[in-house]
Amino acid sequence: NAGVTQTPKFQVLKTGQSMTLQCAQDMNHNSMYWYRQDPGMGLRLIYYSASEGTTDKGEVPNGYNVSRLNKREFSLRLESAAPSQTSVYFCASSHRETYEQYFGPGTRLTVT
Amino acid sequence: GIQVEQSPPDLILQEGANSTLRCNFSDSVNNLQWFHQNPWGQLINLFYIPSGTKQNGRLSATTVATERYSLLYISSSQTTDSGVYFCAVDDMRFGAGTRLTVKP
Repeated sequence: NAGVTQTPKFQVLKTGQSMTLQCAQDMNHNSMYWYRQDPGMGLRLIYYSASEGTTDKGEVPNGYNVSRLNKREFSLRLESAAPSQTSVYFCASSHRETYEQYFGPGTRLTVT
Repeated sequence: GIQVEQSPPDLILQEGANSTLRCNFSDSVNNLQWFHQNPWGQLINLFYIPSGTKQNGRLSATTVATERYSLLYISSSQTTDSGVYFCAVDDMRFGAGTRLTVKP
């Protein structure tokens, strides 16, 4: 039981490049989330998916797209990376009823 | 959206001391969670507590929903309790956190 896994752990991009962050969970959770954490700050919700086939915007969705590929996987795509997207990205999942969230280890992204 | 404020922003304790962390929120909530982020960045869910009191070992939490605050109590603190404690409400709006440092 790996919990929530994220790949890659680290990534450096040049401005304008694109990439996809991958997230998978093996806890049979319905809901999945993407957050970003900037230095010295709390997490901010980018997108979430309440169930397979649905996605909704969070607090800071601009510049990102998501795909809920199946119940296990939820990916985050940066189409044209900008330095303002330099951050640590966390994926999380929860069983809808309990709402308790379980987090992945994070992806540290630097855009130069 | 709901505003979430945590206090104090920083807290330094000697090992063995007790502490209380506070989370205030600006509107009624259906969901409140406390998290611990360790010095390596890993986030762990401590409590899901939209109301009432829960205890887990040396940690306990109380949410008074009618007065829009929640408290996290840490008793007999250990160095492994160091890190940042976040509360988050409803649409996963996080506070800025309390950074706790426990000195041996």
